[in-house]
Amino acid sequence: AQSVSQHNHHVILSEAASLELGCNYSYGGTVNLFWYVQYPGQHLQLLLKYFSGDPLVKGIKGFEAEFIKSKFSFNLRKPSVQWSDTAEYFCAVIPYGGATNKLIFGTGTLLAVQP
Amino acid sequence: DGGITQSPKYLFRKEGQNVTLSCEQNLNHDAMYWYRQDPGQGLRLIYYSQIVNDFQKGDIAEGYSVSREKKESFPLTVTSAQKNPTAFYLCASSERLAGPYEQYFGPGTRLTVT
Repeated sequence: AQSVSQHNHHVILSEAASLELGCNYSYGGTVNLFWYVQYPGQHLQLLLKYFSGDPLVKGIKGFEAEFIKSKFSFNLRKPSVQWSDTAEYFCAVIPYGGATNKLIFGTGTLLAVQP
Repeated sequence: DGGITQSPKYLFRKEGQNVTLSCEQNLNHDAMYWYRQDPGQGLRLIYYSQIVNDFQKGDIAEGYSVSREKKESFPLTVTSAQKNPTAFYLCASSERLAGPYEQYFGPGTRLTVT
């Protein structure tokens, strides 16, 4: 069965530190990839997505992610985090060409940024 | 403003009672979804609907039921058969079911069953 792994469950950083959150998926075919973010008390919202083309994807608030097909990875990065980045981050995958737009989510990474 | 609304934000029920969670969207999306979010488990798909009067079971449908009588509405009923109903429930929609369409999420309903 397809699955998504986020190996970092909790990450604590100081402001201005660099961030990289890992995401790996298990599916051999083409995929659509997403990172969602859930700020405290807010809706789950899309941070960035990859469908095709340039494997380096830029999203909102200075985030980016790189799709490395050979490693089945879609890691999220930000060069300098802010206190306002404190949130839970979810990686998600849709196996391309399937009958449904069914998102498969990772278990999430809780990021706490200390001022 | 276009978006997804879920009500209520918090819901408390006694064990053995059925409870219905509301989800409405004004995005004119065909597809709608219900997810359950538990700490450390991410989001798991309960039910989804491609179009009015059609819906399919997701990964954890047991103990839940849905209806899709209107395009805008996709209510979820948590029945007494659901063994562990206390959770955070998220509704989502997308333009179509199949294809690379972004899913938009509602604010969620936190259900507590005692």
